[in-house]
Amino acid sequence: ETGVTQSPTHLIKTRGQQVTLRCSSQSGHNTVSWYQQALGQGPQFIFQYYREEENGRGNFPPRFSGLQFPNYSSELNVNALELDDSALYLCASSLPGLQADTQYFGPGTRLTVL
Amino acid sequence: SQQGEEDPQALSIQEGENATMNCSYKTSINNLQWYRQNSGRGLVHLILIRSNEREKHSGRLRVTLDTSKKSSSLLITASRAADTASYFCATALHGSSNTGKLIFGQGTTLQVKP
Repeated sequence: ETGVTQSPTHLIKTRGQQVTLRCSSQSGHNTVSWYQQALGQGPQFIFQYYREEENGRGNFPPRFSGLQFPNYSSELNVNALELDDSALYLCASSLPGLQADTQYFGPGTRLTVL
Repeated sequence: SQQGEEDPQALSIQEGENATMNCSYKTSINNLQWYRQNSGRGLVHLILIRSNEREKHSGRLRVTLDTSKKSSSLLITASRAADTASYFCATALHGSSNTGKLIFGQGTTLQVKP
């Protein structure tokens, strides 16, 4: 088990609503990345935060946004939920720089959009 | 689109047998990693191989990398029922701006029968 925690474990929302997912990084890790994993697919990179600033973004629309706090915990916010947003959302923390490639994943939040 | 593609998509073997799964990717990389995922939970980092390495071992795992063919393989020897999981390769692209932004394949689902 990694030291990365995520909350909530499961979440059910309806189309058009907004959702906030939370992640607590492993101790000493100041870089956090978020991934979306649809059923039967590999994770897709959403964005990464380093020192409270966005440090790269994948091919996701602006309604996906994030925050990183001084204690390195992070939030993923999704506005105007769509049915296709139903997925497992994974948070991963890592050390900075060249060590950032090795990522430590949390257990994920399963989001269902009805 | 996915950078990596795993082959086969599914693999079923008996306990004690070896399991081999392959990964192909499209662009130049800094390193390639393999992760394991149990039943839709978080991913666990298994092994990282750098672009200047050809083979790496970790316990019962053996990873090879052929950058000329843009492919990698993961061998699990003497498999156990506990190895039943999905296995993903993930590539890290060149350049500091890409650090920590992993691109995953679609995964190989391994079932080890007792």
